[in-house]
Amino acid sequence: DVQLLESGGGLVQPGGSLRLSCAASGFPFDKYAMNWVRQAPGKGLEWVSAISGSGGSTYHAESVKGRFTISRDNSKSTLYLQMSSLSPEDTAVYFCGKHLQVTAASGSDCWGQGTLVTVSS
Amino acid sequence: AIRMTQSPSSFSASTGDRVTLTCRTSHDIGTYLAWYQQKPGEAPKLLIYAASTLQSGVPSRFSGSGSGTDFTLTISSLQSDDFATYYCQQYYSHPPGTFGLGTKVDIK
Repeated sequence: DVQLLESGGGLVQPGGSLRLSCAASGFPFDKYAMNWVRQAPGKGLEWVSAISGSGGSTYHAESVKGRFTISRDNSKSTLYLQMSSLSPEDTAVYFCGKHLQVTAASGSDCWGQGTLVTVSS
Repeated sequence: AIRMTQSPSSFSASTGDRVTLTCRTSHDIGTYLAWYQQKPGEAPKLLIYAASTLQSGVPSRFSGSGSGTDFTLTISSLQSDDFATYYCQQYYSHPPGTFGLGTKVDIK
């Protein structure tokens, strides 16, 4: 079975940094693009970042560009999101998702359970 | 950036109703659109991709249609398990992945 397991969330002060991880199993990791989507408390889904299967193409939402970096280690079947200069507006549950194909030009058919990031002093 | 407009933002319906949700995009995206269902405290679930392709394992009462800028998700006969929030997502233009604000379907 396809499984995605996020980790790395927690409480961080404004201006701080955090790295999220998503361990994948059950599918050939390098054959699929991956993404991060977040959901602030009581709000809708917000797409954050995506990365192609090879890692050669990355995309970030304007709201996080320059502060967040998506990456992947295909040898470890793990997706990452490095977050810096965090603000309270970044408080959300962060989900990692698996795309339907090697590029990000597709929907996402599998998601992790999410990890909560809280930015507060 | 492409803007996504879902309507209505919420509405009430009864079990057995035929339900149609709408998603409109600010630019032509062909059929690069997906629909998701999300229940409180859960991750989203892919229902439809490529505007009209039913994801494996999703009940056939769900269907999607449209292309260009206007899309619909139809639930032919609403079941109790279908009360949830539904999101459309475009993956045509960069940045890919923009979601609509969602439509919440609750019990009348």
